[in-house]
Amino acid sequence: QSALTQPASVSESPGQSITISCTGAATDIGGYDRVSWYQQFPGKAPKLLISEVNKRPSDVSDRFSGSKSGNTASLTISGLQAEDEADYYCCSFAGPFTWVFGGGTKLTVL
Amino acid sequence: EVQLVESGGGFVQPGGSLRLSCAVSGLRFSDSHMNWVRQTPGRGLEWVSYIGAGYNIYYGDSVRGRFTISRDNAKNSVYLQMNSLRDDDTAVYYCAGDLDWSFNNWGQGTLVTVSS
Repeated sequence: QSALTQPASVSESPGQSITISCTGAATDIGGYDRVSWYQQFPGKAPKLLISEVNKRPSDVSDRFSGSKSGNTASLTISGLQAEDEADYYCCSFAGPFTWVFGGGTKLTVL
Repeated sequence: EVQLVESGGGFVQPGGSLRLSCAVSGLRFSDSHMNWVRQTPGRGLEWVSYIGAGYNIYYGDSVRGRFTISRDNAKNSVYLQMNSLRDDDTAVYYCAGDLDWSFNNWGQGTLVTVSS
């Protein structure tokens, strides 16, 4: 169960959009439409942002969206706000009933 | 409001044991699939174990044979018995409920430190 690959850090200015990539393999991201994304603030538990590649819980802003192509998933945040500065993690089902996470990406809003 | 509250973390020497508990409220626990996920500064988030509503159980490679997950529906609780602990088991351990193949509810975490 190898970890998924994310950039360690990304940065962008307020109001802009940014995309965080998450690369896996055919045995995880490529094999299932079961990619999820999480937002985490320092000292807090992760919070679900996106499930099943592109489904957003009702309490998550529509500025967050997810997609997948082949073995790579992506999280896009549009209209960046200072409050979006956090760590973001991708996760994929890697069957049967095992999951693998990415190493996390620190987002800085300049 | 859904709440997950972990307890049982602490300091333990290598080779020792700990039992983590997670008390769940605000949802139909007996129908819920539950997991343990841990986090270290160096390795980020790592899925540890799953127990389904039907009591099917799975473990990550790094803990299989050492950790045991269980649940008590009468107490709305899930547990993680951790034996033969190693330095690299040091982490914050989160209890997480899963729905639609993602972790939609998380506890606040409990810190486990393994050190001599």
